[in-house]
Amino acid sequence: DAGVIQSPRHEVTEMGQEVTLRCKPISGHDYLFWYRQTMMRGLELLIYFNNNVPIDDSGMPEDRFSAKMPNASFSTLKIQPSEPRDSAVYFCASSFRDRVMNTEAFFGQGTRLTVV
Amino acid sequence: AQKITQTQPGMFVQEKEAVTLDCTYDTSDPSYGLFWYKQPSSGEMIFLIYQGSYDQQNATEGRYSLNFQKARKSANLVISASQLGDSAMYFCAMRERGTGRRALTFGSGTRLQVQP
Repeated sequence: DAGVIQSPRHEVTEMGQEVTLRCKPISGHDYLFWYRQTMMRGLELLIYFNNNVPIDDSGMPEDRFSAKMPNASFSTLKIQPSEPRDSAVYFCASSFRDRVMNTEAFFGQGTRLTVV
Repeated sequence: AQKITQTQPGMFVQEKEAVTLDCTYDTSDPSYGLFWYKQPSSGEMIFLIYQGSYDQQNATEGRYSLNFQKARKSANLVISASQLGDSAMYFCAMRERGTGRRALTFGSGTRLQVQP
C-alpha cells in the first residue's frame, strides 16, 4: 500500500482565497483524521470520520473550515476564505477499527499551507 | 488541564548513548493507550511504539522501549544506542477508550539532537 496520500504537499495562497486539501486514506481503514500542526498550538485534531461520517468536529476552528468524506477513499478539507493565521501543516491520518486500543494512526506527508 | 505533558523542549545526546524522553499524562479512564511518534525534519509522522494501560510488560520495539509507570502516569521513551538518524521531534500521544474518541491527543514534543 502507498500509505496515506495527501495533496498538494505545499500550497501558497493569498488571503481570502479558497483552499482545498485532499487526502486518500489507506485502503481498508475506516477512520480518517485531519490534524493541524503549528508552532504555537502543536498538533491539534480538527475533525475525524468513521465510515465516511463525521464523528467529532469540535476542533474545527470556525465556519471557514469544512471537511467532507464522500467515499471511503477520499476526503477534503476546505478553507474559505483563507487567512494568514491558517498557515500551518495539515496532516491527514487513517486507522482501522479494532477491539483493543493499539491501532496506531498512519499519517500522510502533510500539506504545508502558507497564506500571504 | 494538559492531557499529555512533555517537559523537555530539547535534548542532546551523544551518538551510541541511551536517552530518555519524558512523557506524563492525565486521565481518569482506566483503559487507554499511549503512543510515541517521531517527526524528522522532512515532516512525516512515524509511529514508533505503543503501550496499553493493561499491558503487564513495558513495550519494546528494537532500540525503542517504553518505561511505563502507571501509578506515576508516566510513559517515557527510551532510545538505546542513539544514531545520528534519531535526530528529530518526538511526540507522545494518548487515546482514551472510555470516551469512545478514536483520535490521539498529542503532547508538545521534544526535539532530540544526536551529536557525533
